[in-house]
Amino acid sequence: QEQLQQSGPGLVKPSQTLSLTCAISGDSVSSNNAAWNWIRQSPSRGLEWLGRTYYRSKWYNDYALSVKSRITINPDTSKNQFSLQLNSVTPEDTAVYYCARSDGGHFDLWGRGTRVTVSS
Amino acid sequence: QSVLTQPPSASGTPGQRVSISCFGSSSNIGRNTVNWYQQLPGTAPKFLIYSNNQRPSWVPDRFSGSKSGTSASLAISGLQSEDEADYHCAAWDDSLKAWVFGGGTKLTVL
Repeated sequence: QEQLQQSGPGLVKPSQTLSLTCAISGDSVSSNNAAWNWIRQSPSRGLEWLGRTYYRSKWYNDYALSVKSRITINPDTSKNQFSLQLNSVTPEDTAVYYCARSDGGHFDLWGRGTRVTVSS
Repeated sequence: QSVLTQPPSASGTPGQRVSISCFGSSSNIGRNTVNWYQQLPGTAPKFLIYSNNQRPSWVPDRFSGSKSGTSASLAISGLQSEDEADYHCAAWDDSLKAWVFGGGTKLTVL
């Protein structure tokens, strides 16, 4: 059964790094058809795509301009998972973070979401 | 503000037909296909319509999507109480090189 399992802390202090992991079941992070995305949702900003990693003979990353200077998304082929690191967080980064697969031009598989609060 | 524009709310009574609009621009909806996601309370979004008007097998044919120029629309006929949810449109933006979403429309079944 295809599934994305998210893990990571729900509370991060301002100026620190937010780190989340998304473990993949039933597919491969190295798939030549899929891309692996991070998306967040907050009441003020709605759904916001943060970035993706994907493999097409080599690894590629795309990031949203709004977070490009602070974000890293890395695949981990040994554990069949991918991760999100967002540096120098502020309270504006408080949101529910989702990992999601895109295949065929839409997000067809989502994680359950991780509520992350940025607060001291 | 979201790149794609949706009305914040919509409503209808059981059995009615409702429509939710999504307005974009030439760099997103005007060039690329539109997807719709349904988000039930407290859950992750789930894809509902892809490639403008295609339904996954589990989505009833009461749900339909369309696109014209730089706008798209989701229609729900025979409205049911379980359709009460948030609905989000999305498309790839060629200028931003990013996925963009609408702000979401909260559908209330009266």
